[in-house]
Amino acid sequence: ETGVTQTPRHLVMGMTNKKSLKCEQHLGHNAMYWYKQSAKKPLELMFVYNFKEQTENNSVPSRFSPECPNSSHLFLHLHTLQPEDSALYLCASSPETSGSYNEQFFGPGTRLTVL
Amino acid sequence: GQNIDQPTEMTATEGAIVQINCTYQTSGFNGLFWYQQHAGEAPTFLSYNVLDGLEEKGRFSSFLSRSKGYSYLLLKELQMKDSASYLCAVMDSNYQLIWGAGTKLIIKP
Repeated sequence: ETGVTQTPRHLVMGMTNKKSLKCEQHLGHNAMYWYKQSAKKPLELMFVYNFKEQTENNSVPSRFSPECPNSSHLFLHLHTLQPEDSALYLCASSPETSGSYNEQFFGPGTRLTVL
Repeated sequence: GQNIDQPTEMTATEGAIVQINCTYQTSGFNGLFWYQQHAGEAPTFLSYNVLDGLEEKGRFSSFLSRSKGYSYLLLKELQMKDSASYLCAVMDSNYQLIWGAGTKLIIKP
C-alpha cells in the first residue's frame, strides 16, 4: 500500500448507529488531518494531529470523536449523527503542521450518508 | 474573516486554454496551493506559489500576486481528462490551509 488509504469508501448509517472511519498513511508523515467536504462548499478542517497529539479541533460537534494511536493511523468515531452530517470525509497527511511548503496528501475519502 | 473566492464552474473546449482565478483575503500568507480533484477521488497537489510570479509545470502554470491577493491556474492544450474540480487553498499565518469551494471544469470535445 502506498500513500493515504481510507476505509470504508462508502458508509450508510442510521442516526442511532455507531461507526468508525479509518485512515492510514504510508508516507512517514507526522501530521494527520480530518476534513469534511460537502457539495459546493470549501473543505472544512475538523481535526489536526501532530506527532499523535491533537493540535486543532475546529468546533466540531462531540458526535465526532477522533483517535490517533500512532503517527500512521487516524480514526474518526461517529455516533448519533444527523442527516446534515452526510458528506465526503477526507483524511490527509503532511510532513509536519508548520512550515510553508507543507503539501498535504489526501486519501480517497469516505462517502457518508446518514439516514 | 478569511475568504477564498473562485468561480463555481467553467466550461472549455478540448485543445484550448483556460484560466481559473482565485482571490483571497486571509490573516497572513504562507503560500498558495492548487489541487485537482476528479469526481469521487482524492484531491491531488498541482502547484505551490509563495513568491510573486509564474510557476510553470508542463501544461499547467500557476501565477501569484500577493499585493492583489490573486492567483490563477492556467491549463493549456486541454484534454478530456482535465475535467475535474480545481481547489485553491491559502496557508495562513498559523500554517492552516484555508480552502476555496473549488471550480468545476467541464471540457467539451
